[in-house]
Amino acid sequence: NAGVTQTPKFQVLKTGQSMTLQCAQDMNHEYMSWYRQDPGMGLRLIHYSVGAGITDQGEVPNGYNVSRSTTEDFPLRLLSAAPSQTSVYFCASSRPSTGVGETQYFGPGTRLLVL
Amino acid sequence: SQKIEQNSEALNIQEGKTATLTCNYTNYSPAYLQWYRQDPGRGPVFLLLIRENEKEKRKERLKVTFDTTLKQSLFHITASQPADSATYLCALKGGGADGLTFGKGTHLIIQP
Repeated sequence: NAGVTQTPKFQVLKTGQSMTLQCAQDMNHEYMSWYRQDPGMGLRLIHYSVGAGITDQGEVPNGYNVSRSTTEDFPLRLLSAAPSQTSVYFCASSRPSTGVGETQYFGPGTRLLVL
Repeated sequence: SQKIEQNSEALNIQEGKTATLTCNYTNYSPAYLQWYRQDPGRGPVFLLLIRENEKEKRKERLKVTFDTTLKQSLFHITASQPADSATYLCALKGGGADGLTFGKGTHLIIQP
């Protein structure tokens, strides 16, 4: 199993550009989440999904969209990038028999710089 | 407001000693608490989960305690090794379907 994969590893954007961060998992996990990690702030939940077709907002959802058309994929879209979105983004998935938040498996992260 | 606090400063421990990390929380009634390890440039990796009705959990050289009265968890690494150097995150799961809430992490350095 590849686990949780994220692409790209690094990205530089200009203010106002849009992009999609990709996340995929091959563990048949129902629950998937996106976090951002900033120095001194810890990991903060952006959006999460409890299954295909179902998404909900986390702590810091503004400026981001998500969709979940398949169990495997959970892309995160930046609609109009801002310097405040410079961060490291982590995707995570959880076992299907338990809730969101139990024993999360994290991807390697995407480092995003918005100029 | 809800808050999770971990030692913000780096913790320096001599190899072979026991490292103890603290996680304090306020305004939570967590169903469980988790500890993760994060190495530079990588995603967090799950280590241990302890539920609200459990006092202690062990896994090899790791031990976690959970005191819901003190609202505190302690994470111990016995016989510490330089390879244990990393940032350790505690995370709480409250009620509802949303994800974990993480502390900011403690950077642990094991010196040979």
